[in-house]
Amino acid sequence: GENVEQHPSTLSVQEGDSAVIKCTYSDSASNYFPWYKQELGKRPQLIIDIRSNVGEKKDQRIAVTLNKTAKHFSLHITETQPEDSAVYFCAASRGSNYQLIWGAGTKLIIKP
Amino acid sequence: GAVVSQHPSRVICKSGTSVKIECRSLDFQATTMFWYRQFPKKSLMLMATSNEGSKATYEQGVEKDKFLINHASLTLSTLTVTSAHPEDSSFYICSASGGAREQFFGPGTRLTVL
Repeated sequence: GENVEQHPSTLSVQEGDSAVIKCTYSDSASNYFPWYKQELGKRPQLIIDIRSNVGEKKDQRIAVTLNKTAKHFSLHITETQPEDSAVYFCAASRGSNYQLIWGAGTKLIIKP
Repeated sequence: GAVVSQHPSRVICKSGTSVKIECRSLDFQATTMFWYRQFPKKSLMLMATSNEGSKATYEQGVEKDKFLINHASLTLSTLTVTSAHPEDSSFYICSASGGAREQFFGPGTRLTVL
């Protein structure tokens, strides 16, 4: 079955710098890759997603890139702000029910 | 945006009792609902997938007789933890999909079994 690996587990960056989180997946049939942000004790919130027919997608300070050949995708956050501090999860979709297989999460810490 | 509610938000129960958690899509019809379990500082673990009007599909290692899932309508799914034990203590989160890829999450239920 699908397996999603996410790195790093913790990322600390200076406010204003960029942050990059990387994920790899194993199932070449996966074709939907969302990124979720989860603040402590709260529900995951979708921040950006990408489908396999697209190589890159951007939404203001957030961008996601997908390399289907290498089976990896990355989240890029530019001009980081304190409110970006949270745990970020990548996921890959399989099956007709759109089940998500989740990465282990990255705790992003923005240092003032 | 799509809103999913989940009740209760927090429940404490004695070992051996059953607990029911409700997940509702408030402003859309959820053809599929998912139930997850999340341990502290860990990722979401998919427990089961339910489609309205049919039996839930459980992930490997999840006991279907222990975690009863009912998806009786397009806006409501319930998870019942039967004969709960301390090891069942966890954060349970549901999500709902209206047929598109995106899943909308409920706020979660923190279950503590004494």
